[in-house]
Amino acid sequence: DAGITQSPRHKVTETGTPVTLRCHQTENHRYMYWYRQDPGHGLRLIHYSYGVKDTDKGEVSDGYSVSRSKTEDFLLTLESATSSQTSVYFCASQREGPLWEQYFGPGTRLTVT
Amino acid sequence: QKEVEQDPGPLSVPEGAIVSLNCTYSNSAFQYFMWYRQYSRKGPELLMYTYSSGNKEDGRFTAQVDKSSKYISLFIRDSQPSDSATYLCAIYGTSYGKLTFGQGTILTVHP
Repeated sequence: DAGITQSPRHKVTETGTPVTLRCHQTENHRYMYWYRQDPGHGLRLIHYSYGVKDTDKGEVSDGYSVSRSKTEDFLLTLESATSSQTSVYFCASQREGPLWEQYFGPGTRLTVT
Repeated sequence: QKEVEQDPGPLSVPEGAIVSLNCTYSNSAFQYFMWYRQYSRKGPELLMYTYSSGNKEDGRFTAQVDKSSKYISLFIRDSQPSDSATYLCAIYGTSYGKLTFGQGTILTVHP
């Protein structure tokens, strides 16, 4: 199994505060992803990275930014948290071709009050 | 229209039942078809994959793809309480590296 961890695992924060979630992988995978999971919506892609300093937006990127300064770390920042960003956030790293299997972290449960 | 649509469920079945989970997709360029299983409060894990039309078996699980109908299915035979989880279909093929996920189906198998 790919070694992928997320921190923190749980967080409660107030509306308007900045929040940073961290993802760390030990497999030297080039591709990494941030998703949010909400009831009825499945996994929705927020941002992804295809290398150090190379990132791009997913389908629900508004209000989120990411950074990748090292292969093993991918950070997700909520610049000013809103209640609509209460969700479970999953990070994934991806083995390259032919299957492109993604390996997921354990998730971060974020509550914005 | 979403690229991948999954029957949302939830499904509740007795132990030993045959379970059918289904997804449809819209883009014929999709190449690989996967099923992820997600236990409560865990991250998804790859369960099965296939890249061609037809069936692929792995123990009690069978993944089926019909490219002509753009329809994929996962069958679970002799379902067990330990199969209780959320099942997500995932498809790869239109954007380099990216997977497109269905909404997920929550399955509960009662003893």
